Amino acid sequence: GENVEQHPSTLSVQEGDSAVIKCTYSDSASNYFPWYKQELGKRPQLIIDIRSNVGEKKDQRIAVTLNKTAKHFSLHITETQPEDSAVYFCAARSGGGADGLTFGKGTHLIIQP
Amino acid sequence: DSGVTQTPKHLITATGQRVTLRCSPRSGDLSVYWYQQSLDQGLQFLIQYYNGEERAKGNILERFSAQQFPDLHSELNLSSLELGDSALYFCASSLDRKNSPLHFGNGTRLTVT
Repeated sequence: GENVEQHPSTLSVQEGDSAVIKCTYSDSASNYFPWYKQELGKRPQLIIDIRSNVGEKKDQRIAVTLNKTAKHFSLHITETQPEDSAVYFCAARSGGGADGLTFGKGTHLIIQP
Repeated sequence: DSGVTQTPKHLITATGQRVTLRCSPRSGDLSVYWYQQSLDQGLQFLIQYYNGEERAKGNILERFSAQQFPDLHSELNLSSLELGDSALYFCASSLDRKNSPLHFGNGTRLTVT
């Protein structure tokens, strides 16, 4: 099945700086890659997603890039703000029979004032 | 609000007992997914149903079972509970199997004592 690796596990950046979280996946047939933000004790919320026919997608301060050849994708957050502090999860959906998302183990993003 | 409703919010029970977690998907969504999130852990995919039928199984224990009813709500049954089953259990729904994002409910926090 699919395996998703996510790095780093913890990321501390100064407010206003950029943050980058990276993920790799194993199944070359995977075709959908969402990112979720989870605040403490709350549900994961979709913040951005990308499909395998697109190399980059932006939404205001958030962008995701996908390199299908290398099987990795990244989340970029620019001009970080205190409310960006949370755990971020990447995920991949295989193009095969299983429809469930396989998640990375998460990155705890800490925005230092 | 994601539109996915999970009940109960909290559940405290003893080892060896059986509990049922309930999920109502967003209006119009046909797929329901169950995930387990243990303390400081990522999201482990348990099982998926699509329009009443089981579609995919993840790391679901034999003591656990689920079903999706004709009205599309789903129940996750956990039996012979162990201390290690204490976790947040999330339900998510999506419009179709392949091309739609998952929207998560607020979860059920299960504590086994």
